[in-house]
Amino acid sequence: DAKTTQPPSMDCAEGRAANLPCNHSTISGNEYVYWYRQIHSQGPQYIIHGLKNNETNEMASLIITEDRKSSTLILPHATLRDTAVYYCIVTSGGSNYKLTFGKGTLLTVNP
Amino acid sequence: DVKVTQSSRYLVKRTGEKVFLECVQDMDHENMFWYRQDPGLGLRLIYFSYDVKMKEKGDIPEGYSVSREKKERFSLILESASTNQTSMYLCASSLPYQGTENTEAFFGQGTRLTVV
Repeated sequence: DAKTTQPPSMDCAEGRAANLPCNHSTISGNEYVYWYRQIHSQGPQYIIHGLKNNETNEMASLIITEDRKSSTLILPHATLRDTAVYYCIVTSGGSNYKLTFGKGTLLTVNP
Repeated sequence: DVKVTQSSRYLVKRTGEKVFLECVQDMDHENMFWYRQDPGLGLRLIYFSYDVKMKEKGDIPEGYSVSREKKERFSLILESASTNQTSMYLCASSLPYQGTENTEAFFGQGTRLTVV
């Protein structure tokens, strides 16, 4: 699975959009980009995933560059409850795929 | 509601003890995973299993073993607990890769293990 690089921490003002970047320059054609977040003292929670097209759901939007070497998770109106560690993962699946997390980005939403 | 349940939220064991961490999922998932989480190191994969009795090593398998006798249950075993195995342990499960289908992983709440 491709390795990902994320900034260790970011800040965002409440009510503003939070844009979290992820580099995955070694991604291959059949690998998906998944985003999870982990709020303090809880297990990680799935947010969104995509292959090459931009995706949107009720939680967030995922923008993947045309060359697929990087992506951005967008929380359109961040709230204090969005303060968490956000993980970007790349995986090709398969029947026995590994799901490998890195250190993620600690997003702090400030009032 | 889908559920991944870990048997204990907090556990204290002595050095040298054999420790079992249990994880049960009710979603009929083929894949199950064990991670440990330490400050500054993120989530690290210990072992995963893609079917009953099947297992593969993750990134840090040393000092651990696993057992998957039934589809819904995945156990992590510390054969002889050591203080450097003090950590938060997280279990997860997911469906196998199915092309464009979402194969998100569902996590348990974690077991905070302290080895003294």
